[in-house]
Amino acid sequence: KQEVTQIPAALSVPEGENLVLNCSFTDSAIYNLQWFRQDPGKGLTSLLLIQSSQREQTSGRLNASLDKSSGRSTLYIAASQPGDSATYLCAVNVDSSYKLIFGSGTRLLVRP
Amino acid sequence: EPEVTQTPSHQVTQMGQEVILRCVPISNHLYFYWYRQILGQKVEFLVSFYNNEISEKSEIFDDQFSVERPDGSNFTLKIRSTKLEDSAMYFCASSEPQEMNTEAFFGQGTRLTVV
Repeated sequence: KQEVTQIPAALSVPEGENLVLNCSFTDSAIYNLQWFRQDPGKGLTSLLLIQSSQREQTSGRLNASLDKSSGRSTLYIAASQPGDSATYLCAVNVDSSYKLIFGSGTRLLVRP
Repeated sequence: EPEVTQTPSHQVTQMGQEVILRCVPISNHLYFYWYRQILGQKVEFLVSFYNNEISEKSEIFDDQFSVERPDGSNFTLKIRSTKLEDSAMYFCASSEPQEMNTEAFFGQGTRLTVV
């Protein structure tokens, strides 16, 4: 059964710092991996989708990598800003129904 | 920009009552989903829907739950007799599969409170 784990559970950094969020999954047979942002009490905003054949994907200050064989993905946020404060969720797409299995998230606080 | 919309944003209901949560997926998408997030817990898959039928459902999605696409735009989740433990944020999502690699887009959620 696929399990998704995110480390750390919470992170507090000063503004301007570069940071890395980690995601690991137990079964490497995934179709793709998606990173989301969730603000408190709000919905999920898709940040990046990495297809199973890709190694990384970039959008603005965000860069996500995928190493399927080791069951790991990282989300790199460059030059963090207070507006980046949110919970970041990693999810893997596991089968032909395209359902997502989510991690617990990393709660990020960027201090001004 | 196209988006998934959900109504209502918040629903309070008494235990044992039926609730219907509504979603309008992105118009050209073919797959539709319901997920839920109990406060402080992971987002959990409930059900996926394709070609007017359920393609997969989780253990959570028991006989109390049902989904329907009553017309060309709406996608609904019905809970027949709500329990206290059904209190959660319910998210609708949709995707447009392309060669099995697809991005899922989520709505803002409906917060269901069962009292």
